[in-house]
Amino acid sequence: DAKTTQPPSMDCAEGRAANLPCNHSTISGNEYVYWYRQIHSQGPQYIIHGLKNNETNEMASLIITEDRKSSTLILPHATLRDTAVYYCIVSLLNAGNMLTFGGGTRLMVKP
Amino acid sequence: NAGVTQTPKFRILKIGQSMTLQCTQDMNHNYMYWYRQDPGMGLKLIYYSVGAGITDKGEVPNGYNVSRSTTEDFPLRLELAAPSQTSVYFCASSQSNTGELFFGEGSRLTVL
Repeated sequence: DAKTTQPPSMDCAEGRAANLPCNHSTISGNEYVYWYRQIHSQGPQYIIHGLKNNETNEMASLIITEDRKSSTLILPHATLRDTAVYYCIVSLLNAGNMLTFGGGTRLMVKP
Repeated sequence: NAGVTQTPKFRILKIGQSMTLQCTQDMNHNYMYWYRQDPGMGLKLIYYSVGAGITDKGEVPNGYNVSRSTTEDFPLRLELAAPSQTSVYFCASSQSNTGELFFGEGSRLTVL
């Protein structure tokens, strides 16, 4: 059973914010939301993770709804280099061996 | 730091041949992982290790073996290669058992 649901693909204009949604309605209280991305056949790259508070780092912001059933990854000013597959993953904090990379969202940033 | 280094980047094998995919990391991470990614699909965990001398199976371990004699190295061995093992293999490491993994660039294997 998939723990997360993501749209298969999205487009975004260069310079605009990219908002990538993720549904995780069955998330448990001690599970975190992780985001990774994979740029054209390269190894996946960790972006950000959070439990219930919104998180921000140099790459992106993570907004988690109050009921924790969904989240949004925000790339504030998308560039062509942000074109990638973005994976939303739900996992316990101390369970790196339990990460499940599903289909993800293919984000295409267009000029 | 080089991070996670995988060799070879590309390899073609004949059915029944054996080979080892090498993975080394220079970040002194205790945890290491091997994933495979089939075309258009997500990643599946093959094996992982929580430290030198300790390995455990992931979701798809059949047809593979691993060893972890040092903190730095985590080779993946394919015995009797089959076409179903045609895939891209990614090695990763993490400082602890958190979800922040560092991945290598991948090894693309074709079995004919």
